[in-house]
Amino acid sequence: DGGITQSPKYLFRKEGQNVTLSCEQNLNHDAMYWYRQDPGQGLRLIYYSQIVNDFQKGDIAEGYSVSREKKESFPLTVTSAQKNPTAFYLCASSRDYLNEQFFGPGTRLTVL
Amino acid sequence: QKEVEQNSGPLSVPEGAIASLNCTYSDRGSQSFFWYRQYSGKSPELIMFIYSNGDKEDGRFTAQLNKASQYVSLLIRDSQPSDSATYLCAVNMEGETGGFKTIFGAGTRLFVKA
Repeated sequence: DGGITQSPKYLFRKEGQNVTLSCEQNLNHDAMYWYRQDPGQGLRLIYYSQIVNDFQKGDIAEGYSVSREKKESFPLTVTSAQKNPTAFYLCASSRDYLNEQFFGPGTRLTVL
Repeated sequence: QKEVEQNSGPLSVPEGAIASLNCTYSDRGSQSFFWYRQYSGKSPELIMFIYSNGDKEDGRFTAQLNKASQYVSLLIRDSQPSDSATYLCAVNMEGETGGFKTIFGAGTRLFVKA
């Protein structure tokens, strides 16, 4: 089955820790994205990548980092510099930057 | 600041009625427009996309685009309780540093009463 997977589904982090959220797609899509969603809010773009080995900051990149070493993978690291990381994190991919995005199931991160 | 605006709702309609969801966007050069449905606690799923002025129908859903008015809407005919969700409008806009990125509206919550 083609699709996007994210892991883990739930993640708990202690203050001061870095954590990495996984995102993998087997849709052969060039573009991948990371969004953050807070309760009752819309999606805010953290980082996006239009092609392998290249990525750009979105609207709220501070405290986050990404890599795009493989076409199918776009991991997101939430660093200790992110002051309020508790949120629902969504990964998406699209054939290219003009086409519709398909979302993974999300990772819910909670800071203890 | 490039924006996509939606009425947050909630929009409440009786079962079987037509639900009308609206969205405006700020960038006149936008080319691609999308509607997503998001159930509580779940990830968004694509309902429809539209690129050209006019209407596009898919089953009970119709997307309407008016680029001159910078307005896109989604009509849901014969609304069902299972349509109760948050509907997100998304628009591809040119970024400040070139290229395009997708801007999402905050979403409209729809309740369909049985």
